[in-house]
Amino acid sequence: GQSLEQPSEVTAVEGAIVQINCTYQTSGFYGLSWYQQHDGGAPTFLSYNALDGLEETGRFSSFLSRSDSYGYLLLQELQMKDSASYFCAVPDSNYQLIWGAGTKLIIKP
Amino acid sequence: EAQVTQNPRYLITVTGKKLTVTCSQNMNHEYMSWYRQDPGLGLRQIYYSMNVEVTDKGDVPEGYKVSRKEKRNFPLILESPSPNQTSLYFCASSLQYSPVRVEGNEQFFGPGTRLTVL
Repeated sequence: GQSLEQPSEVTAVEGAIVQINCTYQTSGFYGLSWYQQHDGGAPTFLSYNALDGLEETGRFSSFLSRSDSYGYLLLQELQMKDSASYFCAVPDSNYQLIWGAGTKLIIKP
Repeated sequence: EAQVTQNPRYLITVTGKKLTVTCSQNMNHEYMSWYRQDPGLGLRQIYYSMNVEVTDKGDVPEGYKVSRKEKRNFPLILESPSPNQTSLYFCASSLQYSPVRVEGNEQFFGPGTRLTVL
């Protein structure tokens, strides 16, 4: 079957850098997406990596290593508004998006 | 404004009383999907639609029905709701389903419908 593993919770300090990891097991692999979801809100798309390496978008970066079946989301200069849950997700060949269980990011002042 | 809308946002109902949650998008997206979100389980796909009149089951379709008669609308129907369908439901859409392209992976979500079945 297909599965994604990510830590359930990560704690960091305002202004610091935090990395949220995601490992996956899939029968075929196309790429890795990241979504952010604030409490009570809807998921919003952050990034998609189809190729190995680091993609940077402002304070957020996403990394993929296909040989290691691993990716991470890197958040820099953490702000209190970054407190949210972060999900990794992979598309499969059956037209579905398979999701990890989510990582709750707690930011302390 | 480009958006996905869902109604109702909150619903409390009783076992067995048929209900419909509407979903509409104004972005001319081909691909639409319904998810349920439960604590500790992330998002699980219920049904999806590649285009008009094309629907298929996701991971947890039991107890649900969908239809896609128009491109913009994708209602979720619970014919006989049960307490285990108490959950937070999200409708989402994307330009098309394309695993290798970012446009195919960026899904836009509605605000969610919190359903309680007593």
